[in-house]
Amino acid sequence: GAVVSQHPSRVICKSGTSVKIECRSLDFQATTMFWYRQFPKQSLMLMATSNEGSKATYEQGVEKDKFLINHASLTLSTLTVTSAHPEDSSFYICSARETPRGSPLHFGNGTRLTVT
Amino acid sequence: QQQVKQSPQSLIVQKGGISIINCAYENTAFDYFPWYQQFPGKGPALLIAIRPDVSEKKEGRFTISFNKSAKQFSLHIMDSQPGDSATYFCAASKGSGNTGKLIFGQGTTLQVKP
Repeated sequence: GAVVSQHPSRVICKSGTSVKIECRSLDFQATTMFWYRQFPKQSLMLMATSNEGSKATYEQGVEKDKFLINHASLTLSTLTVTSAHPEDSSFYICSARETPRGSPLHFGNGTRLTVT
Repeated sequence: QQQVKQSPQSLIVQKGGISIINCAYENTAFDYFPWYQQFPGKGPALLIAIRPDVSEKKEGRFTISFNKSAKQFSLHIMDSQPGDSATYFCAASKGSGNTGKLIFGQGTTLQVKP
């Protein structure tokens, strides 16, 4: 089946630094990828929709200058958390859909970000 | 505005029993309703999904029941096993089938006792 790989799985960084998270579709091409954030024991909240070759679409309340998204190829999207603060500590999960319309959404295994 | 409401928040079921999780939605434009299973520290995995043109879909021990007029859908896990213990999320999306972004319910933590 389709596999979405996220890297790193865990990252600890100091407040004020930036962190990049990679999301790759391993065996399929994905024109659209989605980035979610999940706080402990809570649901997944959509942050942004990443479209290959164009700007990402951010959900209301998500700071686009803080959460930089780049979708440079059909198999890779990156999320960069800039000037991270402790309140950015969360579980970030990407998802990708195969190019043909109607394909299911596959999720990566998430990245646990801890900002100290 | 919570577009997809899920209940119960937590559920304890004995091994072999039936687990039932319910979801209700508001937006009649939603046309794709998947259920995801998530284990701690992992991403969600698609279990089963349904479209509004059918009232029920069964895959193994998992069944989705869909009531379009009531704007409700539910997940039934038959013969629940301890390995089913996880968090379950319903979701919905609109657009041409499942090409739209997914809106998730609040999640249900299921514990199946041996």
